[in-house]
Amino acid sequence: SQKIEQNSEALNIQEGKTATLTCNYTNYSPAYLQWYRQDPGRGPVFLLLIRENEKEKRKERLKVTFDTTLKQSLFHITASQPADSATYLCASNFNKFYFGSGTKLNVKP
Amino acid sequence: ETGVTQSPTHLIKTRGQQVTLRCSSQSGHNTVSWYQQALGQGPQFIFQYYREEENGRGNFPPRFSGLQFPNYSSELNVNALELDDSALYLCASSQVPQGTSGANVLTFGAGSRLTVL
Repeated sequence: SQKIEQNSEALNIQEGKTATLTCNYTNYSPAYLQWYRQDPGRGPVFLLLIRENEKEKRKERLKVTFDTTLKQSLFHITASQPADSATYLCASNFNKFYFGSGTKLNVKP
Repeated sequence: ETGVTQSPTHLIKTRGQQVTLRCSSQSGHNTVSWYQQALGQGPQFIFQYYREEENGRGNFPPRFSGLQFPNYSSELNVNALELDDSALYLCASSQVPQGTSGANVLTFGAGSRLTVL
C-alpha cells in the first residue's frame, strides 16, 4: 500500500522566513498530492493540490512542488507569520486517502 | 453553504461499551468518509459511504461500522471499545467518492474526541 512520510520533528522558524516542509512517498507515484493544514483540536483544512505532471503550484504565499524522480513534494510558506503555526499534512489520493503523520510548524515572532 | 458538523465533540466511555458518532456532510456533497486520528499521527481511513452503502474500507475490524442516510449524513458505530480506540474521529465529506478522481478534496469536520477508560 502507499506510504506517505513526513518529518515528525517540529520545524521552528523566525517570522518572515520561508518554511519548507517535506513529504516523501513510497511505492507508486500518486497522480495527485494534497496538502492540508490542521490546527489543534480541529479537522484538517485543504490548502493545495498538485498533479503529477505539474512541477510547481502556487497560491498566495504558498508553493508546492512535486518531484517524481525523488518521490517527494515540498511545501513552502514564504514570509511566514505566527498565524501560520499549525500542523501540515501531506496526502495522496488513489483508491483512498493516505495521510502522512504531519509536520508541526512553529513560527516565532 | 454549511460545513461538516460532528457530534458529540468529546465523550468518555469505558472498555467494552459501544459508541455512536454523528456527522452532517457539507451541502452538495454526497460522499462521507471517516478517519481515526491518534495523537501525533495522521488521519487513518476507516471507511467511506456513497449512496447509503459502504464504498471502501481501511484496515479496521468489523466492530467499526457505519451508516449513511438519504440526506447524506452519517454515523460511525464502534462496538466493544478498546483502550486503543481512544482518538480523534474525523468525518469528511466530498463531492465524489475517493478513487473517482485524484483531484477530489475532503472537507473535514472538527472531530469527536473519544476517550476510552
